[in-house]
Amino acid sequence: EDKVVQSPLSLVVHEGDTVTLNCSYEVTNFRSLLWYKQEKKAPTFLFMLTSSGIEKKSGRLSSILDKKELFSILNITATQTGDSAVYLCAPMTTDSWGKLQFGAGTQVVVTP
Amino acid sequence: NAGVMQNPRHLVRRRGQEARLRCSPMKGHSHVYWYRQLPEEGLKFMVYLQKENIIDESGMPKERFSAEFPKEGPSILRIQQVVRGDSAAYFCASSQTGGDSPLHFGNGTRLTVT
Repeated sequence: EDKVVQSPLSLVVHEGDTVTLNCSYEVTNFRSLLWYKQEKKAPTFLFMLTSSGIEKKSGRLSSILDKKELFSILNITATQTGDSAVYLCAPMTTDSWGKLQFGAGTQVVVTP
Repeated sequence: NAGVMQNPRHLVRRRGQEARLRCSPMKGHSHVYWYRQLPEEGLKFMVYLQKENIIDESGMPKERFSAEFPKEGPSILRIQQVVRGDSAAYFCASSQTGGDSPLHFGNGTRLTVT
């Protein structure tokens, strides 16, 4: 059975701290791993990772995929209060396009 | 470039009524997906559609729920004879192609069944 596990479930940090979020997955026919940020409404797309070992960066956010060990990491440096959100990861498979199986998410709270 | 548009944002229905949720994909996107987020739960896939075709409906409840994406107009998720357990946020997403482009989500429709 497919499985997606995110850790930690939640964390509270101070502005300026760095956070590292983990996502491990077990799916058949893996294609890509997607990261989203969800505040009160729509999940906002962050990264799509297909190749192992290649870091993707967007501002203070970065992410990397390890297809051998079946996990991905999302890093946020110099956190700001606007980074407070639930961060979701979801693997995409080759035989079920768009049928993302989301993890439970990591709730990040950044305090001033 | 407008994102995925969903309406209404909030919908209140009494038990037994019908709910219709609309979704217009991003410009240039021909793949539409519906997801449901129950209170305190994660996003769950419901259905994947292309124009006039249902590609994968493995996440749809077998009864009362249907979805369409006509040649013209928005995608519609229809829930007949709603029950309290249908209360949830329903998100629509779209993508440009199938397997190698990310899904972009709309702001969702929050359905409340009284």
